[in-house]
Amino acid sequence: DVKVTQSSRYLVKRTGEKVFLECVQDMDHENMFWYRQDPGLGLRLIYFSYDVKMKEKGDIPEGYSVSREKKERFSLILESASTNQTSMYLCAYGTSGEETQYFGPGTRLLVL
Amino acid sequence: GNSVTQMEGPVTLSEEAFLTINCTYTATGYPSLFWYVQYPGEGLQLLLKATKADDKGSNKGFEATYRKETTSFHLEKGSVQVSDSAVYFCALGNTGANSKLTFGKGITLSVRP
Repeated sequence: DVKVTQSSRYLVKRTGEKVFLECVQDMDHENMFWYRQDPGLGLRLIYFSYDVKMKEKGDIPEGYSVSREKKERFSLILESASTNQTSMYLCAYGTSGEETQYFGPGTRLLVL
Repeated sequence: GNSVTQMEGPVTLSEEAFLTINCTYTATGYPSLFWYVQYPGEGLQLLLKATKADDKGSNKGFEATYRKETTSFHLEKGSVQVSDSAVYFCALGNTGANSKLTFGKGITLSVRP
């Protein structure tokens, strides 16, 4: 089974801190995605990437950036964390040409 | 643009009850349709999918049929178990090449013994 891991299950940060959320997949999948999940809003796409060093904005990219220096790793960066970024963050991967996505366990981030 | 509408929740059922969770969509073309499940404290898992009209996806006793005429993909199970308690998300794929998914808001199912 292909696995996708996220660096932390729970994270507590202070307002204004720079936050890095890491996602690593253990196969050679091209597509990677970052979502945030909030009650009543479902999943919303923040950024995605189809290959190394490329990125595209999703539906809610404001306040976030991403990095994909290696194929297996896709990092989400909160440049200056704010309380409204308290959320569950989910990473997913997929194969080029396929729509199915596979998810990691999620990181629950609390910004104080 | 594409959108997914799920019925309002939460839903509470007794064990062995029949389950229907409604999902309708708006999309151009012929997107693939998905149901994902999220158990407490976990990420999303693919439950089932269908890629064209009249296809039926099935897994773990759950079924959903791709109905193009009613733009629906309702999830059903004949007899739910306590272990089915989770959040269920309906999603649709883009018909373009970029593999994005559009998700519904999710619905929480609680099954009591």
